[in-house]
Amino acid sequence: KQEVTQIPAALSVPEGENLVLNCSFTDSAIYNLQWFRQDPGKGLTSLLLIQSSQREQTSGRLNASLDKSSGRSTLYIAASQPGDSATYLCAVTNAGNMLTFGGGTRLMVKP
Amino acid sequence: KAGVTQTPRYLIKTRGQQVTLSCSPISGHRSVSWYQQTPGQGLQFLFEYFSETQRNKGNFPGRFSGRQFSNSRSEMNVSTLELGDSALYLCASRLLVQETQYFGPGTRLLVL
Repeated sequence: KQEVTQIPAALSVPEGENLVLNCSFTDSAIYNLQWFRQDPGKGLTSLLLIQSSQREQTSGRLNASLDKSSGRSTLYIAASQPGDSATYLCAVTNAGNMLTFGGGTRLMVKP
Repeated sequence: KAGVTQTPRYLIKTRGQQVTLSCSPISGHRSVSWYQQTPGQGLQFLFEYFSETQRNKGNFPGRFSGRQFSNSRSEMNVSTLELGDSALYLCASRLLVQETQYFGPGTRLLVL
């Protein structure tokens, strides 16, 4: 059974810092990995999708990497802003086509 | 393109009642999945429908059921509601397995 873990569970940083969020998964037979953002009480916004054959994806200040063999992914946020404050979730798609989510990292960026 | 829409956005029910939630996927998407989000269990997969057929089901009791219509709109039904069914129910759609899943805003269900 796939298990996804995210570390840290919560993170507080001053504005302008670069930061890294970590995600690990137990079963490397994945189709892809997605990073999502969730604002309080809202749905999920897709940030980046990395296919199993890819090593990284970039979108603006966000960069996500994937090391499938070791079961790890990182989300790098450059020059963090208060508007980046949210919960960040990683999820993997494997057999069964369903997403298995990690518990999320709650990020607070202080002005 | 319009995003994934879910109705209603909020619901209050009492124990023992049943509830039906609706999801309209992005135009052209034939895959619709449902997830339950609670503070204790996080996000958990309920089921996925593709072209009106349930392709996969998560580890939830039979009180949770769903269906998909020919226009790809989907409904999920929870019968005999329990307090523990209080949650945010999220619907997602995608074009293909290897593509991005797009989520709706969710339906927040409170069971009293």
